[in-house]
This record gives sequence, structure tokens and C-alpha cells, in this order.
Amino acid sequence: GQQLNQSPQSMFIQEGEDVSMNCTSSSIFNTWLWYKQDPGEGPVLLIALYKAGELTSNGRLTAQFGITRKDSFLNISASIPSDVGIYFCAANTNAGKSTFGDGTTLTVKP
Amino acid sequence: DSGVTQTPKHLITATGQRVTLRCSPRSGDLSVYWYQQSLDQGLQFLIQYYNGEERAKGNILERFSAQQFPDLHSELNLSSLELGDSALYFCASSATGLAGNTIYFGEGSWLTVV
Repeated sequence: GQQLNQSPQSMFIQEGEDVSMNCTSSSIFNTWLWYKQDPGEGPVLLIALYKAGELTSNGRLTAQFGITRKDSFLNISASIPSDVGIYFCAANTNAGKSTFGDGTTLTVKP
Repeated sequence: DSGVTQTPKHLITATGQRVTLRCSPRSGDLSVYWYQQSLDQGLQFLIQYYNGEERAKGNILERFSAQQFPDLHSELNLSSLELGDSALYFCASSATGLAGNTIYFGEGSWLTVV
């Protein structure tokens, strides 16, 4: 089946540092999404990407839809303590089914 | 607040029992999704409905069933519960359920099976 390989699995960084995480797949997708989940809460959408090559920013977050349609990355610049959480990539097929990566757990040390 | 409402927020029940989780999608959204999140499995897609009809099925056990009603709310029924069914169950909704639509998640229902 379709699988997303998300890396890294976890990151421990210092406040102020930049963060980069990515998702890859052997399958082609039409939409890539990045979510953040705080403990005990549902995932919250950060960025949605709809076209191959698209680069989109949301504040300190930047994400790109890979040109091959098989990958995407998320960058967080100048991290702050509230960036702590689990970041998930997700990708949609034409049928609307979403596949999720296993998540990247981010810890930010003040 | 995503606009997706789930009840109950927490539920503790015994093995062998049956529970129903309820979801109200965002206003105007026609498609509803159910996901299971456990510590060792990550976020797993269970099933999707669009305007009352099943659209896609993921890793949903035969002991589980779901439906979407005419008012677009959805219920996930979990029966013959086992300890391993303990997880956070999320409902999500999107406008049409197609690839271009963003999916918005509820806050989840914590199920503990003892």
C-alpha cells in the first residue's frame, strides 16, 4: 500500500535554531499536508500544498511539494518553545484517502 | 477550534463491551473520516464517508463499523472491545472528500479498554 516515510523520527534542538523535516514515498500524490499535534489534542493543519513544486509559507513555517510529487519538506525557522509537538505529513490520493507519516517529535530547549 | 466536534472526550469500558463515538463535521463539510491513533501504530485511517455513503476504507477491523447520517453527523461503533483497541479516535471532515480538500480534525475521543 501507499506509505509515507517521515524523518527524522525525533529532534532535540535549541531555541532559535532552524528545523527541517521531510516525507518521501514511492507513490505519487496530489496533495501534501503538514499537521502539528499537541499532547491530547487533534492534529491541526499547518500548510496544504496542491501543486508539484509549490512552495508555501505560513509565518515561520515553509513547506514544499516535491517536483516528483513523491515528497515534501517542512522547515521551521527560529524555533520557539511552543513549537514543541509532533509534526505529521499527510498525502492525499485522487480518491481522497489520506496517508500519514509516523510523525516527527520536536523538542525545543529554551 | 477546527469546527469538528467529537463526543465523548473520554471513555473507559471493559473488554467485550460495545461503544459508540459520535462526530459532527464542520458546517458545510460533506465528508467525514475516522482515524485511530495508538502509541505503537501512529495515525491510522479507518474509513471515510461522503454525503452518507462509504467512500474509502482503510485499516478498519470487522468489529468496527461506521455510518454517516442524513444530517451528516457520523458514528463509529466499536464492538467486542479488546485491550488493544485502547487508543485516541479522531474524526475529521472536509468539504467534498476529494484530493484537493483540506481535512480538519476534531480533538479526539480517548478510549480506554480495561
